[in-house]
Amino acid sequence: AQSVTQLDSQVPVFEEAPVELRCNYSSSVSVYLFWYVQYPNQGLQLLLKYLSGSTLVKGINGFEAEFNKSQTSFHLRKPSVHISDTAEYFCAVSVGAAGNKLTFGGGTRVLVKP
Amino acid sequence: GAVVSQHPSRVICKSGTSVKIECRSLDFQATTMFWYRQFPKQSLMLMATSNEGSKATYEQGVEKDKFLINHASLTLSTLTVTSAHPEDSSFYICSASRPQETQYFGPGTRLLVL
Repeated sequence: AQSVTQLDSQVPVFEEAPVELRCNYSSSVSVYLFWYVQYPNQGLQLLLKYLSGSTLVKGINGFEAEFNKSQTSFHLRKPSVHISDTAEYFCAVSVGAAGNKLTFGGGTRVLVKP
Repeated sequence: GAVVSQHPSRVICKSGTSVKIECRSLDFQATTMFWYRQFPKQSLMLMATSNEGSKATYEQGVEKDKFLINHASLTLSTLTVTSAHPEDSSFYICSASRPQETQYFGPGTRLLVL
């Protein structure tokens, strides 16, 4: 079975500063990797995904993530955050196919301060 | 992008009653739909996977007789919480996908059982 660990439960950051959210996974087979964002009382919105190919993936809202197979990591980064980036961020994996069931990490709450 | 809706967005019910939540894929045919549960400040936990026209597959520890799932068409899945109790109060989120494609999430339904 696979598992996902988000190392930081909460990340405070000042506006216009960079942010990195860490995600590590464990799996005995190849995985598909995703980052989702959840705003209060809302569902999840896909930020970006890694299915194959280039290990640097660019997503919406200026986010990007890098897949590192040797370190089994998929860290999310943004060079300059906005107040509107305050939200909960979830890393997730699926195996077998991109549309298969997802295993989520515990989430990282990003609080952007002015 | 693909749009998934849920109805209702919020429901309050008395203990012992049943509540039905609908999940619809509005602009695509979803062969698979997933139901997740999220407690406050926690991650999403998969409850069950449903494929159109077949019985749902429940995750370990999820009572199938309590959480009835029906996936009668390629655009609609329903989750019925039977004989709801206060401990069933939670945020329920569905997602939908086509074969080999990414899941798209609904906005969630907040259930409060009094």
